[in-house]
Amino acid sequence: GESVGLHLPTLSVQEGDNSIINCAYSNSASDYFIWYKQESGKGPQFIIDIRSNMDKRQGQRVTVLLNKTVKHLSLQIAATQPGDSAVYFCAETDSGAGSYQLTFGKGTKLSVIP
Amino acid sequence: EADIYQTPRYLVIGTGKKITLECSQTMGHDKMYWYQQDPGMELHLIHYSYGVNSTEKGDLSSESTVSRIRTEHFPLTLESARPSHTSQYLCASSERPGLSSYNEQFFGPGTRLTVL
Repeated sequence: GESVGLHLPTLSVQEGDNSIINCAYSNSASDYFIWYKQESGKGPQFIIDIRSNMDKRQGQRVTVLLNKTVKHLSLQIAATQPGDSAVYFCAETDSGAGSYQLTFGKGTKLSVIP
Repeated sequence: EADIYQTPRYLVIGTGKKITLECSQTMGHDKMYWYQQDPGMELHLIHYSYGVNSTEKGDLSSESTVSRIRTEHFPLTLESARPSHTSQYLCASSERPGLSSYNEQFFGPGTRLTVL
């Protein structure tokens, strides 16, 4: 059902600055971690993923860092642009479980100030 | 952009009505999923399918049902809509992953359902 009164964590950054969005995950058995971007009125869109045997992976303007010791994942966006304004979700999956399900974390709303 | 479609995009309906939310993908993906997402909240898996004639319940209990008669089509049905069903419903699909890997899920645009 619909929930009211709950607010997403929000990050406001100036255009051109770097953004860092954080995520804590819960399942020690998860071996893939994925970041999704969801713009208003649209479905989530894949940004970048990282396997658990890696600490860092870079894409175009984005970097994902994985710290398995503290079960922490971060997404860094370089030179943030107005088009980056969206809600960002991390997701985890345990490929060995056989169900191929993703577990999504709570999103972070990124607002870019022109 | 992913070739996965959902209709209708918006639906306002009265309590007690039967509704079917449509989802189709043209990528030939084996796996399809339905998620429920309340405003500003994370996605919760309510149903998924490994392929034709396969349907499984997800982590979040739902009064909806699904069917998978064709690879490309994965409709979700609510027999009697209630205000508590008001939410956004997102459909996704992915290829069957290989061993020790996962495959990216492609999402449709979602259906925003309001039950009065």
